[in-house]
Amino acid sequence: DTAVSQTPKYLVTQMGNDKSIKCEQNLGHDTMYWYKQDSKKFLKIMFSYNNKELIINETVPNRFSPKSPDKAHLNLHINSLELGDSAVYFCASSPQGAGTQYFGPGTRLTVL
Amino acid sequence: AQSVTQPDIHITVSEGASLELRCNYSYGATPYLFWYVQSPGQGLQLLLKYFSGDTLVQGIKGFEAEFKRSQSSFNLRKPSVHWSDAAEYFCAVGDSGGGADGLTFGKGTHLIIQP
Repeated sequence: DTAVSQTPKYLVTQMGNDKSIKCEQNLGHDTMYWYKQDSKKFLKIMFSYNNKELIINETVPNRFSPKSPDKAHLNLHINSLELGDSAVYFCASSPQGAGTQYFGPGTRLTVL
Repeated sequence: AQSVTQPDIHITVSEGASLELRCNYSYGATPYLFWYVQSPGQGLQLLLKYFSGDTLVQGIKGFEAEFKRSQSSFNLRKPSVHWSDAAEYFCAVGDSGGGADGLTFGKGTHLIIQP
């Protein structure tokens, strides 16, 4: 069974569109995260959610919004996509306060 | 603010040779430390982690890392590399205070294996 899954794996879209990336974890973890990996492979935290509450929100444009319908899911909605949003987005989860994060396979977003 | 430095952007090693990837961190207390590996087109796989206790930690795939507080380092080692070890390696620091902050990653080291 896949521990952390993301859909879709690839997403190609036009500038100005709105898109969503879904993430699900079956590990029973309390905290979920979204990371962005840029073209130079640098990984940076975007959001974390703990028991459906937003914990941190790094300097991310408000066009990005995380939505957590329940503890096992954390979806990422992106409005008005821009060229600079092209990246690989990773979802991760961890037990509360335990530090170790388990990553999904990533979603490669390409904005044309 | 915490930070992680991986000084080597690329490293080339012959198959069968030993490997050491360097990682230095900046953190106010004893951090949680991690090494992740990313194969091309893949997600991140946890190799090993240090939370406390024995400063030499063993991980998967024959990797080990040593936490040296005096040097703020957490270098990754492997005695004999295999061609399948070619990948991107990331060192990361996490919040040891029990919070739910995200990990802070280094910029990665790209490992190339020569036949």
